[in-house]
Amino acid sequence: AQKVTQAQTEISVVEKEDVTLDCVYETRDTTYYLFWYKQPPSGELVFLIRRNSFDEQNEISGRYSWNFQKSTSSFNFTITASQVVDSAVYFCALSEAKAAGNKLTFGGGTRVLVKP
Amino acid sequence: KAGVTQTPRYLIKTRGQQVTLSCSPISGHRSVSWYQQTPGQGLQFLFEYFSETQRNKGNFPGRFSGRQFSNSRSEMNVSTLELGDSALYLCASSHAGTGAVYSGANVLTFGAGSRLTVL
Repeated sequence: AQKVTQAQTEISVVEKEDVTLDCVYETRDTTYYLFWYKQPPSGELVFLIRRNSFDEQNEISGRYSWNFQKSTSSFNFTITASQVVDSAVYFCALSEAKAAGNKLTFGGGTRVLVKP
Repeated sequence: KAGVTQTPRYLIKTRGQQVTLSCSPISGHRSVSWYQQTPGQGLQFLFEYFSETQRNKGNFPGRFSGRQFSNSRSEMNVSTLELGDSALYLCASSHAGTGAVYSGANVLTFGAGSRLTVL
């Protein structure tokens, strides 16, 4: 069965520090997709990034970057030069192609608190 | 373009009652999924509807049910409410995706949720 683990429950940083969020996943499917979502206090989950299992190229998008390593089943996410507006709960999620449709398995989430 | 709209945003019910939550997806999105979020269990998948048919179902008791209308709007119903049903219920819409290669690849757009309190 698929599983996503976010070992860090809460991270507190001072503005402009970098923040790295860890995510480890388990799946038996060879084709799968990994996501990061952000949940601000308003409650609405906001999509951040998506990677598929065939693409291990790591990228940077603005202040966001991610490190996908199939060998260790990890999909870590980094916020560079954090800002107060980055304060939110961040969720890593997994979707398997064999599930035939849209079904996300979420990790427990990591609460990020950025202090001014 | 309007986002995913969920109503009501907040509601309070008592044990034994039933509740119906509504979700209007983004125009053109034909898939609607429902998730339950609680402090103890986190975010859990309830079910997904596409073209008025349930395509996926999570591990929830039969008290939790849903449906989708021809305009893709969806409702979920919880009967015989229990205290443990208190949660934020999130609806998400997406394009359908077709075939095994594309399944699971779609980005879900979430609504702001319906916060249910059961007393």
